[in-house]
Amino acid sequence: SQQGEEDPQALSIQEGENATMNCSYKTSINNLQWYRQNSGRGLVHLILIRSNEREKHSGRLRVTLDTSKKSSSLLITASRAADTASYFCATDDTGFQKLVFGTGTRLLVSP
Amino acid sequence: ETGVTQSPTHLIKTRGQQVTLRCSSQSGHNTVSWYQQALGQGPQFIFQYYREEENGRGNFPPRFSGLQFPNYSSELNVNALELDDSALYLCASSLVRGQSYQETQYFGPGTRLLVL
Repeated sequence: SQQGEEDPQALSIQEGENATMNCSYKTSINNLQWYRQNSGRGLVHLILIRSNEREKHSGRLRVTLDTSKKSSSLLITASRAADTASYFCATDDTGFQKLVFGTGTRLLVSP
Repeated sequence: ETGVTQSPTHLIKTRGQQVTLRCSSQSGHNTVSWYQQALGQGPQFIFQYYREEENGRGNFPPRFSGLQFPNYSSELNVNALELDDSALYLCASSLVRGQSYQETQYFGPGTRLLVL
């Protein structure tokens, strides 16, 4: 079963705009991770945030985590057409990478 | 490129048949996890192998089984295939050292299985 849901299910923006995706989950976690998937192929790890962290940055990515609300958000700034992909959040409650994924957000960035 | 490879890339089987999918972990990794991703869904955890032993299983029936070999490559076997087994099967490898582990898990490109 899925851990939670991502919102929105689909997002369409223009190049240069920012994209924000939200993830909600149900149980206590050790960490939360965001992955990107292009065209239904392998997943690419983007960023990991631990349960005792509130915000993390990596390049154009900014992730926040609110454990009291059991939610996280991923912000991609200055989007590019190459950012077009599906984005998934995944929670790890054991600390041993037995990940529980959300339902994903499909992002389309138009030139 | 993550260094994790899977074979075959695509596979078509008929209901009731058996299938074996293979995964070669990234060099130096000792843990492999398998996930099933149905169309339009997020991946679901099937099981994990650490040093050739099963180290946790998701909500999948026993007809899903696995192996991890001394070189840390892995197989996923599915018996008595059902139509709902049609999905993308992903393996992921990571390094676990005692009580600590490398948090980044590297995924392979997946095997797309179609059951007719």
